[in-house]
Amino acid sequence: GQNIDQPTEMTATEGAIVQINCTYQTSGFNGLFWYQQHAGEAPTFLSYNVLDGLEEKGRFSSFLSRSKGYSYLLLKELQMKDSASYLCAVRHSGGSYIPTFGRGTSLIVHP
Amino acid sequence: DGGITQSPKYLFRKEGQNVTLSCEQNLNHDAMYWYRQDPGQGLRLIYYSQIVNDFQKGDIAEGYSVSREKKESFPLTVTSAQKNPTAFYLCASDTRDSNQPQHFGDGTRLSIL
Repeated sequence: GQNIDQPTEMTATEGAIVQINCTYQTSGFNGLFWYQQHAGEAPTFLSYNVLDGLEEKGRFSSFLSRSKGYSYLLLKELQMKDSASYLCAVRHSGGSYIPTFGRGTSLIVHP
Repeated sequence: DGGITQSPKYLFRKEGQNVTLSCEQNLNHDAMYWYRQDPGQGLRLIYYSQIVNDFQKGDIAEGYSVSREKKESFPLTVTSAQKNPTAFYLCASDTRDSNQPQHFGDGTRLSIL
C-alpha cells in the first residue's frame, strides 16, 4: 500500500528559506511529484524526482532519497505569493501508475 | 493552448438530486481522473479512466458514477446516494508516462442547498 506524510502547516518569513518534508511508504516507487495549490485553484506542477538527489528549478528545489522514502521541497527567497498548499504525490509501479497524494502542507508566508 | 476545462465552477445540489460535473481536455491525454478535496485534506481519487470506454473505481467511488465515451470527456455524476457531496472536485489528465505530471482543471465547488 501507499502512505504519504507531510506536515499540516508551516509558517515562514518573507525572504527566508523553508523546507517542506514528505515521507512515503510504497510497495513500488516510480517517481515523486510536488505541486503548488492556491486556495480554490487547481494544483500546478512544481517538480519531479525519480532518482536520488537534488533537482533545482529557480527558487524551488526538490530532493529525493529512495532508500529513506523521503523527499523535501526547498523554497528560497520566499515571497508572499508563495503562501499556498504544497502537495506531495507518489507514483507507484505497477499497471495503473496512479499517483497517491499526501494531505498537503499549508505554507503561510508573513512579512 | 491545450488544457482541461471543468464546468460549472460552482454547483448547488438539492437533496435527492443527481448532478453532473463536466470535464473536457484537448491535450490528447489517454488517462483522466476525478479527485475530491475536502478542507485540510489531500486529493482523494474517485474514479479514473485509462482508455476510452473503460474506467476504474478509486478509493471513494461510492455515490459517484462516470462515463468515458470520448477520449476528450470524462463527466462525473454525483448521485443522491452520496450523502456528503459538499467538496471541491478536481479533474485531471495525463499521458500515463510515469515521469509526466498530471494536468488539472480549475475545479468545481459543489454545495448542498
